[in-house]
Amino acid sequence: DAKTTQPNSMESNEEEPVHLPCNHSTISGTDYIHWYRQLPSQGPEYVIHGLTSNVNNRMASLAIAEDRKSSTLILHRATLRDAAVYYCILRRNTGKLIFGQGTTLQVKP
Amino acid sequence: EAQVTQNPRYLITVTGKKLTVTCSQNMNHEYMSWYRQDPGLGLRQIYYSMNVEVTDKGDVPEGYKVSRKEKRNFPLILESPSPNQTSLYFCASSTGGEVGELFFGEGSRLTVL
Repeated sequence: DAKTTQPNSMESNEEEPVHLPCNHSTISGTDYIHWYRQLPSQGPEYVIHGLTSNVNNRMASLAIAEDRKSSTLILHRATLRDAAVYYCILRRNTGKLIFGQGTTLQVKP
Repeated sequence: EAQVTQNPRYLITVTGKKLTVTCSQNMNHEYMSWYRQDPGLGLRQIYYSMNVEVTDKGDVPEGYKVSRKEKRNFPLILESPSPNQTSLYFCASSTGGEVGELFFGEGSRLTVL
């Protein structure tokens, strides 16, 4: 069954780039790769999503491997406000979502 | 303001006493879904709905019911709550399909004694 695998935690220094990896080796051809983050005591919030090509938005970039079995969320300059749990999610056209366990990102000043 | 509203936000109840957690969205979204979040287990999907009158089981549907009679509402029903349903629950909505951005509610913390 499809699943995503993420490191439990990562650390970064403020104003440095952060690369958050996700492995989804059993991804199906039509699954979209979504990333969300969750700040303490809040619901998850959308970060970025993609299918095959790399994507950029004002929050982050998403790099998708050519075989789609892995992806990397890139925060170009981490700030203290980026400290959160980041979830890599596969979203199916059936409506089902496949979650990873999430990566807790710590940002050090 | 675009939002997903859950009620109640906090609830302490006892085993076997039926309860409903409501979820309402004002964005005319087709897709709605429920999740529970537990320490060490992350987020898990309970039920989802692609549109009115269409619902499907997620990964952990046991002990829960849902209904989607109107587009804006997607209540989660616990017919006979048990202590293992003590959890933090989130509702979310999005435009249909697999590309829409999910908008999450603020969460409902449920304790079953």
